[in-house]
This record gives sequence, structure tokens and C-alpha cells, in this order.
Amino acid sequence: EPEVTQTPSHQVTQMGQEVILRCVPISNHLYFYWYRQILGQKVEFLVSFYNNEISEKSEIFDDQFSVERPDGSNFTLKIRSTKLEDSAMYFCASSDPSGGRETQYFGPGTRLLVL
Amino acid sequence: DAKTTQPNSMESNEEEPVHLPCNHSTISGTDYIHWYRQLPSQGPEYVIHGLTSNVNNRMASLAIAEDRKSSTLILHRATLRDAAVYYCILRDRQGGSEKLVFGKGTKLTVNP
Repeated sequence: EPEVTQTPSHQVTQMGQEVILRCVPISNHLYFYWYRQILGQKVEFLVSFYNNEISEKSEIFDDQFSVERPDGSNFTLKIRSTKLEDSAMYFCASSDPSGGRETQYFGPGTRLLVL
Repeated sequence: DAKTTQPNSMESNEEEPVHLPCNHSTISGTDYIHWYRQLPSQGPEYVIHGLTSNVNNRMASLAIAEDRKSSTLILHRATLRDAAVYYCILRDRQGGSEKLVFGKGTKLTVNP
């Protein structure tokens, strides 16, 4: 069964450094998402992406964040200057337009630790 | 986003049915009821969704009250692998918003 993959599984970085989290969505999907989950808290929506542009973003997704689909398979989340509070699990998801976008398929996540 | 209310936790024994309730008294006519679950240290996973009629799939059944103000996710025979946090989420099909709004969900413990 097709699945969303994410790399790396774990990332440790120093405060102020840039990080890029990578995702490979399911191949025929056209809607892409990033969510995050701070340890012990709810899963929070960050951004959705369709047709090479952001379709929706949350208040969390400020100027320090950006997303890109650099080629036909990857979808990336960049944090320009990481803060301690960016430490969280980051989940990528994708959905299939032919399915009415009802179901989002999530990857296993990248655990980001900012020191 | 319309609010849902779920118990914080529930317990079940292996191979017994589990009924996970969700209240959504302010649901609108265009809201779909979605259930996702999150196994320990994994990303959320779609379980099932419905609008008005009860729904069945290979994972679970969804029973929707006639007034749509509540629903119940039914796991017919719980296994240890079903231990997870279960989220009941409303999605407005006509609203145009893509995001899933997760609450705290119900943490299901399955006892062997």
C-alpha cells in the first residue's frame, strides 16, 4: 500500500540554525500538508499546499516557515531560524483529489529537537 | 470549526467490542464526521468518516445519531494493536478549509 515517507526520522539542531524537513507524498496525491505535535500536546495544522502554492496556513506558520515542492516527488518544510519552541514532531500528509480530499494520509513524522 | 467532545480515556479487553463516543451538538448540515487514530510514536491514521448514515469499513464501524449530534466509533474486536488515541473531527465539506483540527481525543487502552 502506498505511504507517505519522511526524512530524517530525527533531527537535532542548534537554536538559530535552519532545518529542512523532507516528505515524499503518495505519488498521485496533489494536496499536501504539514502538521506538528509538541510533546504531550495536540496535533496542530501548519499549512496546506496545492498547485504549487499555499492554500491555507495557521498562525503558527509565520515568516520563519516556508514550504516547497522542488520536484515532482518531494515536499519540504523549511524553518529558517529555529527556536527552542520549534521542538516537536512534524508530520507531513497528503490527500487524493479524486477521493474528494476526505482522507489525509500521514507520514511517520520527523522528531525535531532544538537545543 | 465545530467542537467535538470525547472522553479523555477508555479501557477495553482484547477481543471485546469497543464503543468510542463523540458529542458534536453544534454540527452543521455540511459537516462530515471523521475519525482518525494515532498509535504510539506514529502519525495520525484515517479510520472512517460519514455524513448521516452508518458506515462500515475493514477497520471499524461508525454509528451516527439520527440528529447527528453524536456519533460512536465501534471496534468490533479490539486487539492490542488498537491501543491508540482516537480523534473525532468535523470537516465542513463546503467550507473549503483543508485542515484537520485535532482535539485531545480518547486514549484507548486495550488489556490482554
